[in-house]
Amino acid sequence: EIVLTQSPGTLSFSPGERATLSCRASQSVSSDYLAWYQQKPGQAPRLLIYAASSRATGIPDRFSGSESGTDFTLTISRLEPEDFAVYYCQQYGTSRTFGQGTRLEIK
Amino acid sequence: QVQLVQSGAEVKKPGSSVKVSCKASGGTFNNYVINWVRQAPGQGLEWMGGIIPIFGTANYAQNFEGRVTITADESTRTAYMDLSSLTSDDTAVYYCARAPYYYDTRGGVGTAYFDYWGQGTLVSVSS
Repeated sequence: EIVLTQSPGTLSFSPGERATLSCRASQSVSSDYLAWYQQKPGQAPRLLIYAASSRATGIPDRFSGSESGTDFTLTISRLEPEDFAVYYCQQYGTSRTFGQGTRLEIK
Repeated sequence: QVQLVQSGAEVKKPGSSVKVSCKASGGTFNNYVINWVRQAPGQGLEWMGGIIPIFGTANYAQNFEGRVTITADESTRTAYMDLSSLTSDDTAVYYCARAPYYYDTRGGVGTAYFDYWGQGTLVSVSS
């Protein structure tokens, strides 16, 4: 099973700042089959990024994804108040597994 | 506009079973994977399994093999998740989620990313 490690568990930023979230895979992810989701309290997750760097429909361009080997990154270029939430990465190249999540909180 | 609407909250006794439904409207139903993902209180997301209605065959995560059954009714555009032998550890919000599928290098079918999600169904297991 591919294990995805998101660290740190919590990040603190101020609105307007740039945030970089990390997701490291325990082994190679086939065809860069990695997605990112945002989840707010009491809501279902929302797809942000798929195939490591493709933005989902309707997602603002301040969200971007990248990969380097087994390291994947979600970048939010300029944080808006509504961006403070929990973010999960997920790989779908070998079965499907999620990272444990990173909570983005307001500093 | 794709919408997935799930059945309401359930309270179950240990050892019993629960069946949750997920009705799709808008978009294509048959040609996507309908998945089930659960989230225990304060915890992360866990994929349970999925089904492609047009193929009719479900595949399951190893952790749930033998205890979960996922089915789909094309005529009503509804998918179902049946989980048996419930324990308190099964207390969670259960989500259905749609995903495109792809063909892998071995000719098998893989489930891609989850692009639409239901609103979630809380299943509470308590004696």
